[in-house]
Amino acid sequence: DVQLVESGGGLIQPGGSLRLSCAASGFTFSSYDMHWVRQLPGKGLEWVSGIVTAGDTYYSVSVKGRFTISRENAKNSFFLQMNSLSAEDTALYYCARVSRGLWGIGQYDFWGQGTLVTVSS
Amino acid sequence: DIQMTQSPSSLSASVGDRVTITCRASQAISTYLNWYYQKPGKAPKLLIYASSNLQTGVPSRFSGGGSATDFTLTISSLQPEDSATFYCQQTYTFPWTFGQGTKVELK
Repeated sequence: DVQLVESGGGLIQPGGSLRLSCAASGFTFSSYDMHWVRQLPGKGLEWVSGIVTAGDTYYSVSVKGRFTISRENAKNSFFLQMNSLSAEDTALYYCARVSRGLWGIGQYDFWGQGTLVTVSS
Repeated sequence: DIQMTQSPSSLSASVGDRVTITCRASQAISTYLNWYYQKPGKAPKLLIYASSNLQTGVPSRFSGGGSATDFTLTISSLQPEDSATFYCQQTYTFPWTFGQGTKVELK
């Protein structure tokens, strides 16, 4: 079965750094694009960052320059290095697998359970 | 960025009712439109992909349609387990964006 398990969240002071991890299992990890999506408390979903199989990376404007996404195919894992954190980054962070079916249209067919990041002094 | 606008933001309906949620994109996105549902405390789940394709395991009472800028999600006969928040998402171009969500409650 496909599983995505996030880790690395926690309470961090403003200006601090955290590294989130997403461990994948049950599929050929290297063959899939992987993304991070966050959900602010009581709010909707916000795309954060994505990394394709070839290693190209994409970021939302709100995190570009502060967050870095990476992957390690040999360990079936990908990561989100978050620097210069602020209260606005407080959210539940989900990792998600991108499936591409018809005409290459992407969708998230599997999600992790989320890891909570709280930025507060 | 492509803005996704859902309506209504919330609705209350009875078991057996037909429910329709609309999603409008700020520019044409072909059929690069997905729908997810999310229950409290749980991760979102894929419902419909590429505008009208039912994800494996999703009941047939759910259907989706539309192209370019206007899309719909329809529940033909609302069931108690459908109480959730529904989100549309465009994957036409980065940044991938979501609608603000539609909360569906049972009367």
